[in-house]
Amino acid sequence: TQLLEQSPQFLSIQEGENLTVYCNSSSVFSSLQWYRQEPGEGPVLLVTVVTGGEVKKLKRLTFQFGDARKDSSLHITAAQPGDTGLYLCAGFSNTGNQFYFGTGTSLTVIP
Amino acid sequence: DTAVSQTPKYLVTQMGNDKSIKCEQNLGHDTMYWYKQDSKKFLKIMFSYNNKELIINETVPNRFSPKSPDKAHLNLHINSLELGDSAVYFCASSLRGAGKLFFGSGTQLSVL
Repeated sequence: TQLLEQSPQFLSIQEGENLTVYCNSSSVFSSLQWYRQEPGEGPVLLVTVVTGGEVKKLKRLTFQFGDARKDSSLHITAAQPGDTGLYLCAGFSNTGNQFYFGTGTSLTVIP
Repeated sequence: DTAVSQTPKYLVTQMGNDKSIKCEQNLGHDTMYWYKQDSKKFLKIMFSYNNKELIINETVPNRFSPKSPDKAHLNLHINSLELGDSAVYFCASSLRGAGKLFFGSGTQLSVL
């Protein structure tokens, strides 16, 4: 089983602060996705990164794929209470068409 | 329109009972999955079907039996429910090779 470790596991910050979540693995992936899950709902896809070193921006969220395609980071600028949720990274392997989920980061943004 | 829908949303039952969870997707995807999310929020793959054919079958007790009548549906039947089966079960779908998963809203199973 390919394991993706996320850090931190829990994060509680004040509105307006910046934060970074990390997703690390020893395995190389064809692509990596980030999902956000709110209570009582399923994970929702935020972004997919494919190329090593790729950086994608989604409003105040910046996603980066490591050069070796083994790790990724999610940076949120000026966090809002609406950013609260569980953030999950997932590595995708074309071989076997499998998704491997990270251990999750639970973010709480306090107004 | 809901893209991936699963029913029921909540399922409370006694140990030893048999129950089913249904899933349907209207995205035209060819691959469907069942995931189990434990109390620590870790998502673990259980099964994957591509065009009605089983392609992933992780180490799951034989009491769990998936069934895909067509590529838009993937149901999960669970026999002889145990306390440890309590979790949230998610159905998901994707286009094979696309690397993007679309999830249903989950079924919270509580075994008493």
